[in-house]
Amino acid sequence: SAVISQKPSRDICQRGTSLTIQCQVDSQVTMMFWYRQQPGQSLTLIATANQGSEATYESGFVIDKFPISRPNLTFSTLTVSNMSPEDSSIYLCSVDRGAGEPNTEAFFGQGTRLTVV
Amino acid sequence: GNSVTQMEGPVTLSEEAFLTINCTYTATGYPSLFWYVQYPGEGLQLLLKATKADDKGSNKGFEATYRKETTSFHLEKGSVQVSDSAVYFCALKRTYKYIFGTGTRLKVLA
Repeated sequence: SAVISQKPSRDICQRGTSLTIQCQVDSQVTMMFWYRQQPGQSLTLIATANQGSEATYESGFVIDKFPISRPNLTFSTLTVSNMSPEDSSIYLCSVDRGAGEPNTEAFFGQGTRLTVV
Repeated sequence: GNSVTQMEGPVTLSEEAFLTINCTYTATGYPSLFWYVQYPGEGLQLLLKATKADDKGSNKGFEATYRKETTSFHLEKGSVQVSDSAVYFCALKRTYKYIFGTGTRLKVLA
């Protein structure tokens, strides 16, 4: 198993500002994942973060908007930059110990509920 | 491409009723299939999984069978409880990436 601490749990931000979300895992993992969960929609993968290399972004997500840091094997941050109301969503951190293996499960943080006004 | 389609909610049932939440998928190759549950105020957690055709995953009275011929992974429970009220997500996994369904909210009334 894995225990993931994510903070803040929620925030209300002014448009044009940035918010950095932190994700701490209780043990070392190779790959960490950041998802967005928009109201009434599925989880969408934003990017995959490996320690010591740049994050890999999915189609529709760019580094300038969602910069990610991965300074060590237990920690990552996601920044939502220059926010607009369309960025209002739940952002989730996830790890998968067997990343690359087809039958291992993912573990999720509790999420950060972001509201942009 | 890969995708997951699950029935829209919300689903409202009385306690002890039978539950079915439909899930179908489209995928290249042979993905692993999962059901995750999100209780109010908590993160997603694994409910059950199946990694190959005809496998049945089960946990906490919930079951789902990997049906390759119908590309389905329907979630069932014979007798739901109020504590089962949550959002349920069907997902497939190819290599390290998950594709999630939109989630189905279940509300169980006492």
